[in-house]
Parts: sequence; C-alpha cells; structure tokens
Amino acid sequence: AQKITQTQPGMFVQEKEAVTLDCTYDTSDPSYGLFWYKQPSSGEMIFLIYQGSYDQQNATEGRYSLNFQKARKSANLVISASQLGDSAMYFCAMSELDRGSTLGRLYFGRGTQLTVWP
Amino acid sequence: GAGVSQSPRYKVAKRGQDVALRCDPISGHVSLFWYQQALGQGPEFLTYFQNEAQLDKSGLPSDRFFAERPEGSVSTLKIQRTQQEDSAVYLCASSSRLAGGRGTDTQYFGPGTRLTVL
Repeated sequence: AQKITQTQPGMFVQEKEAVTLDCTYDTSDPSYGLFWYKQPSSGEMIFLIYQGSYDQQNATEGRYSLNFQKARKSANLVISASQLGDSAMYFCAMSELDRGSTLGRLYFGRGTQLTVWP
Repeated sequence: GAGVSQSPRYKVAKRGQDVALRCDPISGHVSLFWYQQALGQGPEFLTYFQNEAQLDKSGLPSDRFFAERPEGSVSTLKIQRTQQEDSAVYLCASSSRLAGGRGTDTQYFGPGTRLTVL
C-alpha cells in the first residue's frame, strides 16, 4: 500500500490566489513526521514545512500552511497569495519515527505539478 | 559549505560502465540519506548512514549498488555495470539529528546527480 498519496497530478492557480495541494498518508506508527518539499525544474528539493504527529497546532511558514487532519490522515499544503515563482512540483513526504528498520527514511508521494498563471 | 553539494551534476555512462556519485553533506550533519528519483516519480529511499555506519541499505535495488561514508562526512554511491534502468536522478540528503530521535529532523537535499545510461 502506498504510504503517501497525492491524487492531483497537476493544479493550476492564478497569481495572488490561494491553492490547496492534497496529501493523504498511511501509517500505523503513532509517531511520525510530515513534510512538504518543492522541486523546481532545476531539480533541487527545497524543504517547505514540517508537521509532527503530536503537534497540536497546524504548522505555518510564511505563505505556507499545513492543514493537518489526523483522523482523516491528511496533510494538505495551502499556499496563500500564489506567485509565479511557486510554479514547481510539490512533494508530500512522511517519516515514521518508531519503526526500527525504517527510521529516518522519507516516503514520498508522486507529486503535484503546480502552475501559477498571471 | 552552506548546503548539500553533489557531483557530478550530470553523468552519462555507457551500459556496463561503473560510476561513482559524490555527496558532501552539510557540515556537522550526522545523518546522510541517498534517494533515487525516476522520471515523473517521487524519490525512493536507497540507504542511510549515521556518521560512518551504514544502518539501512534495504532500498538498494541490487548488489551492483554500493555506498560508503568512511569518515562520517563525504559519501559516495557507486553503481557497477550500469544498466539502462539505473537512469535516474540520485539525491543525497543530510540532517543534523540521529534518525529516530524524539522529534524528527528535516532532511536537506542536494541538487542531485542526473545519471543517464545509454
């Protein structure tokens, strides 16, 4: 079973509008971390935001916020006031923290290609 | 350095050749990860080092893949007798904390090495 599911292959948003990128995850580990990364066409993977499974509040970093719904196992990324430079591939990832053999490794989804148009 | 660096950025190999990919993690980072990213996919875990110890190599796809980090800093991923299916971007990431410690830590990625096997 996929540990991270991103169901939107592509999303389009107009500049200055907000956009939500969906992510659902699957784990039986009570302790885990959720990440979003941005990958522009140049290829580097840029860290955006992190949410721990025990964090009470949703994470925010500037224009990025993570809508964490633990019961639904979803961790959607919200980008407010989109900019042309936000056009990139976005990956959701998870790290399980209690499983001895898989400690630390990130499980990635297939990504969502976001295009911001003027 | 300020970030994770990888070299070469691009590598073209003829089928059957051996290749070596280098990763320089962020100074002082104890954890180092290698991932493989096929075209249009999310990264897939290959192997994990804690200082010089390779604690998890379960993601290496075959015994043609070998990784080392002899002094706990620079790491090399070696692929012997390359095959066309090895064509991918190889990403290296480092983090400052031990995997599995209470609270996770962000993995910072290098720009990747794009390997093309002809």
